[in-house]
Amino acid sequence: ETGVTQSPTHLIKTRGQQVTLRCSSQSGHNTVSWYQQALGQGPQFIFQYYREEENGRGNFPPRFSGLQFPNYSSELNVNALELDDSALYLCASSFRLAAGTDTQYFGPGTRLTVL
Amino acid sequence: QQQVKQSPQSLIVQKGGISIINCAYENTAFDYFPWYQQFPGKGPALLIAIRPDVSEKKEGRFTISFNKSAKQFSLHIMDSQPGDSATYFCAASMSYGNKLVFGAGTILRVKS
Repeated sequence: ETGVTQSPTHLIKTRGQQVTLRCSSQSGHNTVSWYQQALGQGPQFIFQYYREEENGRGNFPPRFSGLQFPNYSSELNVNALELDDSALYLCASSFRLAAGTDTQYFGPGTRLTVL
Repeated sequence: QQQVKQSPQSLIVQKGGISIINCAYENTAFDYFPWYQQFPGKGPALLIAIRPDVSEKKEGRFTISFNKSAKQFSLHIMDSQPGDSATYFCAASMSYGNKLVFGAGTILRVKS
């Protein structure tokens, strides 16, 4: 059973650029959640995808968008990058049950630096 | 009402001692409370989790104590080891795994 993988590991962009981060969910999982973790802080929920549709969103602007593919992998896109977008971006996968979703398992993250 | 408050911010414990980290929440709709451990450069890893129908859950050296009336829960690490040195996050969510709300984290250092 493979765990959650994310790519790239590190990324450096300049203000105003666009970035795409990728996540492969753990085998058997059908739900992907994305979190932003600023340095020295806890992860903040960005949004969750289930059956290729957004299923809940945190307090992030529309320039943060995502996709989930039929194989349950996911992308996080951020447009018009700002300096404050510099953070560790975490992907978590889980298996959605009838009563909600199961435990979320996190990937190693993508470290984004915006200059 | 969505916040989870975690304390202390940092903690130094001698090897073999007990590490205690506390969290408090406001939203009574939360019904799933996991603890995650994070090492530098890694993603958070689930340590142990509890639901509010029990007051305590133990897995090896790790114990969660849960006080529903006080809206507080804590992590106890017994016989703390240098390998336990990491950042610990409490979290809460509604309906088992949707949108985790994290505390700010506790940096634990276990001195040998």
